[in-house]
Formats: sequence, structure tokens, C-alpha cells
Amino acid sequence: AQRVTQPEKLLSVFKGAPVELKCNYSYSGSPELFWYVQYSRQRLQLLLRHISRESIKGFTADLNKGETSFHLKKPFAQEEDSAMYYCALFLYNQGGKLIFGQGTELSVKP
Amino acid sequence: DTEVTQTPKHLVMGMTNKKSLKCEQHMGHRAMYWYKQKAKKPPELMFVYSYEKLSINESVPSRFSPECPNSSLLNLHLHALQPEDSALYLCASSRTSPPEAFFGQGTRLTVV
Repeated sequence: AQRVTQPEKLLSVFKGAPVELKCNYSYSGSPELFWYVQYSRQRLQLLLRHISRESIKGFTADLNKGETSFHLKKPFAQEEDSAMYYCALFLYNQGGKLIFGQGTELSVKP
Repeated sequence: DTEVTQTPKHLVMGMTNKKSLKCEQHMGHRAMYWYKQKAKKPPELMFVYSYEKLSINESVPSRFSPECPNSSLLNLHLHALQPEDSALYLCASSRTSPPEAFFGQGTRLTVV
């Protein structure tokens, strides 16, 4: 079955600490993966896509096909990074669905 | 214009009412989506329109009826909803490749 797994519901770190939000996927084809962020009372926003290899707001994510992972990392967390983070997988082989993991709530403490 | 706009922002409706949610985008995207999101949960896909044709219906009850009048507009018609249908309803649009989805701010629906 095709799915996205985010094992941590809540991740709490102190400002300036490194942060890693985990994402694993199960997909038979070549995956198209994204990270979305939802700040309090704001719309869901695209943070990263694996094909662009960009760094947005200091976040990076590398696709590891061997480990079927797409973890999101930031070397120094900031308080404004506190939000809900969703890993998402686009399913070309099911007519074009974007499915989401359960989400990880990141809390960055001062 | 790089936004997806949804109206209304909030809606309270009775179980016998009929209402509609509206979504608009002017980015030339040919795929449009409806999602339902409960508090602290991920968005759940309901419908996908591709080139104005319904391509995916995720076994959504018939009290939800989607419509795509043209390439910029997407509606969700609501009839005889249940209190458990109360949620944030999100619209999104994307190019076909790469399939980066842009989301609206949502309509917060309360069924009383």
C-alpha cells in the first residue's frame, strides 16, 4: 500500500538546536515528495519539494531511496519555525493524488 | 496572482440546509482538489478534477457534490450534512508537472 509515515506527533526543541522531522514512504514507483507547513491560523504552504533540492527558511530534505525516507532538517531551530509539518507524496499511478502523512507538530522553545 | 481563494471563510449550516463552497485560482492550473481537514489531523482527499473532469472521488458520501464550471472555478455543493461533517474544507490547485499544490485558506464549516 502506498503511504507516508511521520512517526513523531510532537517534536519539542530549544531555540538554536538542530531539528529533524522524520518522513518515510511506501511507493512502488519513482516518488514525488513534498514537505508542507501549516502555521497557526494560516493556510497550508509548500515548504520543499525533493526535485528542486532548494533550501527554504534554512530547511533541507534529502530523498533516500534506499531507506525510503525524506527527512526534513534544520541546523538551528527558530521560534518562528513552530508549526505543523506534513510530508506528502504525489501518486501518479493513482490518477494524480497528493496524500499526506499524519503530521509532526514542531514546538521551538525560547 | 499566485493564490487560491476560497469563500466563505466560515459557514454555519443546519442539517437540512443546502449551501455551496467556492474556490477560485488564476494560475492556469488544470488540476483542482477538495480536501477535508479535522483539527490536528492531515488533510484527507475528497475529490480531484483534472482538466475540468472529475478524475478521483474518494468514496465521498453523495451529500457532497463537486462541480467544476471552468478551469478557474471549483464548487462543493453541500446538502443534508451531519454534525460529523464539521471540519475545515480546503481547496487546492496544481500544475500537472511538477504537481506542486497550492492551497486556499479553507472554509471552516460547522453543521448544527
